[in-house]
Amino acid sequence: DAGVTQSPTHLIKTRGQHVTLRCSPISGHKSVSWYQQVLGQGPQFIFQYYEKEERGRGNFPDRFSARQFPNYSSELNVNALLLGDSALYLCASSLWDTTNYGYTFGSGTRLTVV
Amino acid sequence: KQEVTQIPAALSVPEGENLVLNCSFTDSAIYNLQWFRQDPGKGLTSLLLIQSSQREQTSGRLNASLDKSSGRSTLYIAASQPGDSATYLCAVRDKIIFGKGTRLHILP
Repeated sequence: DAGVTQSPTHLIKTRGQHVTLRCSPISGHKSVSWYQQVLGQGPQFIFQYYEKEERGRGNFPDRFSARQFPNYSSELNVNALLLGDSALYLCASSLWDTTNYGYTFGSGTRLTVV
Repeated sequence: KQEVTQIPAALSVPEGENLVLNCSFTDSAIYNLQWFRQDPGKGLTSLLLIQSSQREQTSGRLNASLDKSSGRSTLYIAASQPGDSATYLCAVRDKIIFGKGTRLHILP
């Protein structure tokens, strides 16, 4: 069974551009969350989606948005990229939107903004 | 506001030694705590999940404990091996909040 898959694995963008990152959860998982991890720090929570609805949002500007599709895959969009958006973006899926289950993470998308 | 702290930030130990990594959190009203391993530039691999009602979980050479009342968790690694070298992160839930991690280096 495939794990959480993220695409692309690496991406280089120019300041001001827009980027879309994609995530496919483990089959049967309905909850997807997004995290930003800058070098030397722990991951920071961006969004959580469950059954295509936003269930939580971290302290990120409105340039960050996301959505979840009927097949439970998800996209993270970032507009007007800044140099500070350079980071590893991680997606995690969970079985249900409850706290009895842990998260499974993908390998991440490394975004570099130049 | 929940804050998660991991001490030490970095640790080097000779191969074969037993070691303990620490994680503390400020708000004891957590649902569960999860320990992860992260290799450089890679995603997170789940090691152990402890529910708030549990005191510990074990998997192979790893043992994690949880003391909600004191806001602490420890990850015990027995008989360390060079392959254990990685960054270890703890995270508490509801919205999963991570510590900054402990960078572990096992010396052959």
